[in-house]
Amino acid sequence: GEDVEQSLFLSVREGDSSVINCTYTDSSSTYLYWYKQEPGAGLQLLTYIFSNMDMKQDQRLTVLLNKKDKHLSLRIADTQTGDSAIYFCAEKVYNQGGKLIFGQGTELSVKP
Amino acid sequence: NAGVTQTPKFQVLKTGQSMTLQCAQDMNHNSMYWYRQDPGMGLRLIYYSASEGTTDKGEVPNGYNVSRLNKREFSLRLESAAPSQTSVYFCASSVLAGGVNEQFFGPGTRLTVL
Repeated sequence: GEDVEQSLFLSVREGDSSVINCTYTDSSSTYLYWYKQEPGAGLQLLTYIFSNMDMKQDQRLTVLLNKKDKHLSLRIADTQTGDSAIYFCAEKVYNQGGKLIFGQGTELSVKP
Repeated sequence: NAGVTQTPKFQVLKTGQSMTLQCAQDMNHNSMYWYRQDPGMGLRLIYYSASEGTTDKGEVPNGYNVSRLNKREFSLRLESAAPSQTSVYFCASSVLAGGVNEQFFGPGTRLTVL
C-alpha cells in the first residue's frame, strides 16, 4: 500500500538553510504536498508539486522531486525562528478520490 | 469567512461514553475529511465524503461513524469511546477531489478518553 516516510526532527540555526526530506512508495502519485503545522493549530498548505515536475521554487521555498527514487525534499532558505513548526509531506494517490497520504511529520526547531 | 470550524476544542470522556465531533465549512467545498493525529504517526484518514450524500472509509474507520448532514457539515461520532481513541482530531475540506485538491484544515479537537 501507499506509505510516506519522514524523519521526525531537524534542528538548524537561524539564517541557515533547512532541508526536510520525504520518501513515498506510490509511483502513480499525481501531486505531492508540503503542509505546515504551527503549535496548537491545524495544517496549512505551504506548497505543492505536480508529479511531472522536477523542481518548484516559491520565494524562500524550493521543492525538489526525484521520481526515480520517489524522494521529495523541501528546502527553506534563510530559516527564521517563525519557521519552527511541524512539516508534513503528503501524496495524492491516483484514482482514489481526494485522499491524501501523510507522512509522520518533521518537527523543525530553529535556534537563534 | 470562518473557513473550517470544529467544536468542541477540548473534550474528556470516560471509557464507553459517546460523543459527536462537529465540523462545518463556509467555503462551499464539496469534499470533507476527518483525520486523527497521533505522535510519530502523522495524520491518518478516518472517513471522508467526496460530495454531499456520500461517505467512504479511510485508513482507520473502526470505532467511528460519520454523517454528511448537508454540504456544510460533516460530523464524526464515537459510539463507545476507548482509550485508544485519545488523539487530536482534524476536519478538512476541499473544493473537489480532483486537481490540486488543496485541503483546508480546522483547528482540531483534542480528545482524551480515560
